[in-house]
Amino acid sequence: GENVEQHPSTLSVQEGDSAVIKCTYSDSASNYFPWYKQELGKGPQLIIDIRSNVGEKKDQRIAVTLNKTAKHFSLHITETQPEDSAVYFCAASVLGNEKLTFGTGTRLTIIP
Amino acid sequence: EAEVAQSPRYKITEKSQAVAFWCDPISGHATLYWYRQILGQGPELLVQFQDESVVDDSQLPKDRFSAERLKGVDSTLKIQPAELGDSAMYLCASSRDPHNEQFFGPGTRLTVL
Repeated sequence: GENVEQHPSTLSVQEGDSAVIKCTYSDSASNYFPWYKQELGKGPQLIIDIRSNVGEKKDQRIAVTLNKTAKHFSLHITETQPEDSAVYFCAASVLGNEKLTFGTGTRLTIIP
Repeated sequence: EAEVAQSPRYKITEKSQAVAFWCDPISGHATLYWYRQILGQGPELLVQFQDESVVDDSQLPKDRFSAERLKGVDSTLKIQPAELGDSAMYLCASSRDPHNEQFFGPGTRLTVL
């Protein structure tokens, strides 16, 4: 089955700087890659996703890049703000078989 | 904004007892998922429903876990008997159909003593 690895497990960045979180996947059939943000005491919330027919996707301060050949994808957050502090999870699945396999999470802390 | 509802939010039980969690998906969402999230890890799918039918329960420990969605709306996940290793967050998610975004509820945090 699919295996998703996520790095780093913790990340601290100065407010206003950029943060990058990286994930790799094992199943070459995976073609859907969402990113979730989980705040304390809440369920994960989808923040951005990318499908394998696209190499990059942006939504304001958040972007995701995908390298299908290397089987890795990354989340980029620019101009970080204190409210960006949370745990971020990447995931992978095959569209049509919607079982999401999650990474182990990255605890992002924004230092004011 | 519609949300996935779960109850209880917290549950403390002793091992060998039975526990049950309830989930009410967003209205109109045909697909419902139950995940288990162990502290420090990502969620792992336990069971997926399409309307009232189970479409994937390959990771559900069927000797002690059961799940139902009798009318294709709300769902119940049961553990009997609970074991110490079952301590985790149990998350429910729903989507309009399997090809759309999954919306997660706040979860039920289970502690087994």
